Amino acid sequence: GAGVSQSPSNKVTEKGKDVELRCDPISGHTALYWYRQRLGQGLEFLIYFQGNSAPDKSGLPSDRFSAERTGESVSTLTIQRTQQEDSAVYLCASSRDLNTEAFFGQGTRLTVV
Amino acid sequence: QQQVKQSPQSLIVQKGGISIINCAYENTAFDYFPWYQQFPGKGPALLIAIRPDVSEKKEGRFTISFNKSAKQFSLHIMDSQPGDSATYFCAASRHGLGGKLIFGQGTELSVKP
Repeated sequence: GAGVSQSPSNKVTEKGKDVELRCDPISGHTALYWYRQRLGQGLEFLIYFQGNSAPDKSGLPSDRFSAERTGESVSTLTIQRTQQEDSAVYLCASSRDLNTEAFFGQGTRLTVV
Repeated sequence: QQQVKQSPQSLIVQKGGISIINCAYENTAFDYFPWYQQFPGKGPALLIAIRPDVSEKKEGRFTISFNKSAKQFSLHIMDSQPGDSATYFCAASRHGLGGKLIFGQGTELSVKP
């Protein structure tokens, strides 16, 4: 594909429900990153993958957050038992390797009501 | 030590003027300093980046100035245009972790016609 694709673009969910956010990186990109952007704030690193492995999960806010990547391609970020403070735009980025620039998708806007 | 501090939070510039956004960092292990441009509803897009072996990098109307001893870097937008109106983020990362970026809080730039 031409760029990083994220789905859904918008998601409204009820407090307590689980949600899954999907990221399709640029073909051939081995590194994949997830960020969170709260309204009016900078991006907050969550987790990155090199291939299918996640060497750094240090940014995940709580054990309700998890992510996986399969086939060195698509990644899913799962938030269990969503809370209102989880409302944010979740951005995915990919790069050819760990030493090259990252390209971002358009994000998934999550609203927890 | 992981913070990147960005200022100003918002900036209004007349068309044709110079926009200047400043960032400061603490972690001396950082060696990659990109600037991202974000339009509403879009993901951030890489604008220009610098590594600490040079003090300045220019691409068209955009220039990064880097002061390693002061641990500061700035973005200059020459001949600012209304189409430059967007939110700008500085960021920093360590070698081998080009996409694990520590972002500043962002500067909302408005260029008035």
